[in-house]
Formats: sequence, structure tokens, C-alpha cells
Amino acid sequence: GNSVTQMEGPVTLSEEAFLTINCTYTATGYPSLFWYVQYPGEGLQLLLKATKADDKGSNKGFEATYRKETTSFHLEKGSVQVSDSAVYFCALRPTSGTYKYIFGTGTRLKVLA
Amino acid sequence: EAGVTQFPSHSVIEKGQTVTLRCDPISGHDNLYWYRRVMGKEIKFLLHFVKESKQDESGMPNNRFLAERTGGTYSTLKVQPAELEDSGVYFCASSQVTDTQYFGPGTRLTVL
Repeated sequence: GNSVTQMEGPVTLSEEAFLTINCTYTATGYPSLFWYVQYPGEGLQLLLKATKADDKGSNKGFEATYRKETTSFHLEKGSVQVSDSAVYFCALRPTSGTYKYIFGTGTRLKVLA
Repeated sequence: EAGVTQFPSHSVIEKGQTVTLRCDPISGHDNLYWYRRVMGKEIKFLLHFVKESKQDESGMPNNRFLAERTGGTYSTLKVQPAELEDSGVYFCASSQVTDTQYFGPGTRLTVL
């Protein structure tokens, strides 16, 4: 079946450090892949997405590349800020048959000044 | 354009009581979804409406949960009677056809 595996948190970094949050998936075909972010006290916000292999999604300095060969969609940012502290969710939407999203467990990121 | 809104933001109830959660999707979005995150685990799909029809309710945990979307606009999710394991954050999302889903802020439900 379809599934998403994220690295467990929490991840604690100093400001300006490099961030990687790993995400791998299991799915048939070519699912769409997403990163959502939940800032403290807020709802889920779409951070970026990719809909086909080798696509790179990017937003607010974050990037993730759809790697079909490794079934991965790792989230990266070159220099994190305190304001990036949040919970990050990786998700997939299967190729067909359903519109429901499959989420990972979320990774909490804490950035220290 | 207003985003997805949910009410209430928090609800604390006793075991055995009834709670009704409400979701107002983005205007014009025919697709409405309910999800739940329990105990810091993954966010899990509950069901999907297309307009007023239930397209997929495979994620509904049991018959204590009832979702409605009368008139194809807002939706309600009722839990009756609530159990301890129903505690969690309930998210609503909406989308156009097969487009990206936009999520609301969630309702945090605590069952004591």
C-alpha cells in the first residue's frame, strides 16, 4: 500500500545551519508529493510540491526534489531562521483511484538563535 | 479570498458526550476532506466529499462518527458518543477537482 516515512524529530539547529528532513515513500506509479508546514498555533500550510519525477519544488528558501529512483522527497534549506521553527509533514497523493493524502508522522524543527 | 475555516478551535468534552465540528471550505471548492491527527502520529484521512456526496469514507474509524455536507457547502463531523481515543486534532481541507488541498487550522478535541 501507500505510505510515507519521515525522519523522527525533534530536530534542533542553530540559526543559519543547513537543514535536511528526510522523506521516503512507497507508492505505485507516480504520486504527487508535498511538504506541508504547521507553525505554532496555526493550521497546515502548503510549503511546496512536485508532481513528477525530477521535479523540484521550492518556496521560502526550502527545496525538495522528486527522486523516483530512491523514492525520496527530502526537504532542504541552506540557512534556517528562528521563524522556521514548526512541524513539517511530508505527504503523497496516489496516482489514481483516490484523492486522499497519505502523510508522514511529521518532524518538529526547533531553530535556536 | 478566505481560506478554510474550522470551528471550534478547541473542544473539551467528557467521555460519552457528543461533539460537532464544523468546516467551511474555500468558496467554489467542491471537494472537502476530513483528516485527523491522533497523539502526535501521522495525519490520517477520514473521508472525502464531492459537493454533498461522500466520495470516499474509507477512513472513518467507526459508526460513532457521522459527517454531513448538506447543500454542498460547509460540512459537519459529529462524534457520538465520544471516547477517549477520539482525542486529537481534526483537520478539514478543500480543493478544486484534483488540485492541491488547502487545510484549515484544525479543531483540537480533548475527550476526558
